[in-house]
Amino acid sequence: DVVMTQTPPSLSVAIGQSVSISCKSSQSLVYSDGKTYLHWLLQSPGQSPKLLIYQVSNLGSGVPDRFSGTGSQKDFTLKISRVEAEDLGVYYCVQATHFPLTFGSGTKLEIK
Amino acid sequence: EVQLVESGEGLVQPGSSMKLSCVASGFTFSNYGMNWIRQAPKKGLEWIALIYYDSSSKYYADSVKGRFTISRDNSKNTLYLEMNSLRSEDTAMYYCAKFPFDYWGQGVMVTVSS
Repeated sequence: DVVMTQTPPSLSVAIGQSVSISCKSSQSLVYSDGKTYLHWLLQSPGQSPKLLIYQVSNLGSGVPDRFSGTGSQKDFTLKISRVEAEDLGVYYCVQATHFPLTFGSGTKLEIK
Repeated sequence: EVQLVESGEGLVQPGSSMKLSCVASGFTFSNYGMNWIRQAPKKGLEWIALIYYDSSSKYYADSVKGRFTISRDNSKNTLYLEMNSLRSEDTAMYYCAKFPFDYWGQGVMVTVSS
């Protein structure tokens, strides 16, 4: 199984600061079609997860451009510029290239 | 507006069975793969099953393989998860999600306990 290692496990940031979350996979996430099926989700407190970024760097529907995703092969990063109060929650990366699909363990973002 | 509405939550005894449903609306259900994902209390997300748009392929996590069955009825825009031989470790919130995780249901709680 592909292991998704997310760091850090938690973050505490002030409003307006920028933050980055890392996600490293144990295998390359490039599929045979050339695409990389690495996505980022946010689970706000008491809510279902919401898609932020799909295929490494594409913004989900309605997601503000303060969110951005970069990376390739086995090393990926989610960046949040100018953090807002509504950004608090747990961020997950998930790979959909290899079965079984696997999630990172999550990064909890708290607002100072 | 895309909506996914799960049903079937409840408390069951170990070894028993349960079936979850997820009714989809707001998109062409028959064109998309669908997932079940679960989240044990205070834990992270665990993918458990995926079914192709036409039911031609189904994939499972090892933790549920042989006990859970994913299925769909495209005429009813409905996704199912049949769960047999339930164990205490299956206690979790169960979510259906459209592939590639762009829409999620609100989740239903399944509790397996004697």
